[in-house]
Amino acid sequence: AQSVTQLGSHVSVSEGALVLLRCNYSSSVPPYLFWYVQYPNQGLQLLLKYTSAATLVKGINGFEAEFKKSETSFHLTKPSAHMSDAAEYFCAVSERSSNTGKLIFGQGTTLQVKP
Amino acid sequence: DGGITQSPKYLFRKEGQNVTLSCEQNLNHDAMYWYRQDPGQGLRLIYYSQIVNDFQKGDIAEGYSVSREKKESFPLTVTSAQKNPTAFYLCASSIMGGETQYFGPGTRLLVL
Repeated sequence: AQSVTQLGSHVSVSEGALVLLRCNYSSSVPPYLFWYVQYPNQGLQLLLKYTSAATLVKGINGFEAEFKKSETSFHLTKPSAHMSDAAEYFCAVSERSSNTGKLIFGQGTTLQVKP
Repeated sequence: DGGITQSPKYLFRKEGQNVTLSCEQNLNHDAMYWYRQDPGQGLRLIYYSQIVNDFQKGDIAEGYSVSREKKESFPLTVTSAQKNPTAFYLCASSIMGGETQYFGPGTRLLVL
């Protein structure tokens, strides 16, 4: 069965510092991978997704993620944190071979940005 | 503007009461999903539908029911059998199963 693990439920960085949010997945075949962001009391917004093209995926708001098959990882990074990046981030996986579209989510990582 | 709307934003349920959460989309998406979000647990799939008049149970369907009579609508009923309904409920849709899901703003359900 597929699963997603986000290492660290809370990450704190200073404004201008590197953001690194970790995501590891387990899947029998390379899956589709997603990062979503959620601001308080709002829905989820897609940051970026990996389907099968380039392993380095660029998303909105300066975020990017690299798919590493050998490490079964899809970590999210941003070179310089901004106060507006403070939110909860979710990594999700969808089976490539399935047409149900079921997403399996990690537990989420809350990003705090300190001035 | 195209998008997904959920109503109400907040909903209060009394003991033994069934309540229905609305989800409407005007994106012409075929697939629709309901998720439940609890603190520290991520999102869990309740039900999903890939076509009108058809839907499947997700991982935590017990105590919930849905219908899909129209392509643009996928209401979720939280029945009295759901003993712990307090949560944030999110509806999503996608062009078809397997494609990117887009989320509504959510409904927070509280028990009186």
